Amino acid sequence: EADIYQTPRYLVIGTGKKITLECSQTMGHDKMYWYQQDPGMELHLIHYSYGVNSTEKGDLSSESTVSRIRTEHFPLTLESARPSHTSQYLCASSEYRSAGGYGYTFGSGTRLTVV
Amino acid sequence: AQKITQTQPGMFVQEKEAVTLDCTYDTSDPSYGLFWYKQPSSGEMIFLIYQGSYDQQNATEGRYSLNFQKARKSANLVISASQLGDSAMYFCAMREGIDTGGFKTIFGAGTRLFVKA
Repeated sequence: EADIYQTPRYLVIGTGKKITLECSQTMGHDKMYWYQQDPGMELHLIHYSYGVNSTEKGDLSSESTVSRIRTEHFPLTLESARPSHTSQYLCASSEYRSAGGYGYTFGSGTRLTVV
Repeated sequence: AQKITQTQPGMFVQEKEAVTLDCTYDTSDPSYGLFWYKQPSSGEMIFLIYQGSYDQQNATEGRYSLNFQKARKSANLVISASQLGDSAMYFCAMREGIDTGGFKTIFGAGTRLFVKA
């Protein structure tokens, strides 16, 4: 059973629409992340959070924004979707694990298509 | 700047045989962690194994082992006794500053593994 949940799993939306991708985790992890991944390609960090009310932009420039009002919730918003935003968005969280350093737990991802 | 290189876009292996997926990395930080993740066609990312830069022994997790050669800056994943369910994309990843709270991870481009029956 997943400990980190992303909704929706798939989304097809028209250009110019505002969308919010949801991510919630039940593990109490302080650190959360959003990665963008084109099919079969590497992951690029677009946003991360140290904890509540703390968010930072990642290494890949993104027109999206995030918020972290509650520990368990880290939504990503696109104010005006464009075809170039078509991609898979993966949410993750982390804590220290003795057997895995700061191992990430990933959600199932949201596959976004903007038409 | 930190960097992860996976030079094998695709690999084939016969069921029940062992396979090695290559990964080299570049960092100037003496404290770092190396990770391998599996991504099946369904899209989720599954953490497989972790190696810390100060760890003396190679990490092992069931059928997965990490061949860590620090001087060569390589962290190859070895999967023993391949199974059909091992067919997936495999990503090597690195995080710098492990001992000072660093938590941003970068990923390589991935290797797609095909296991043949």
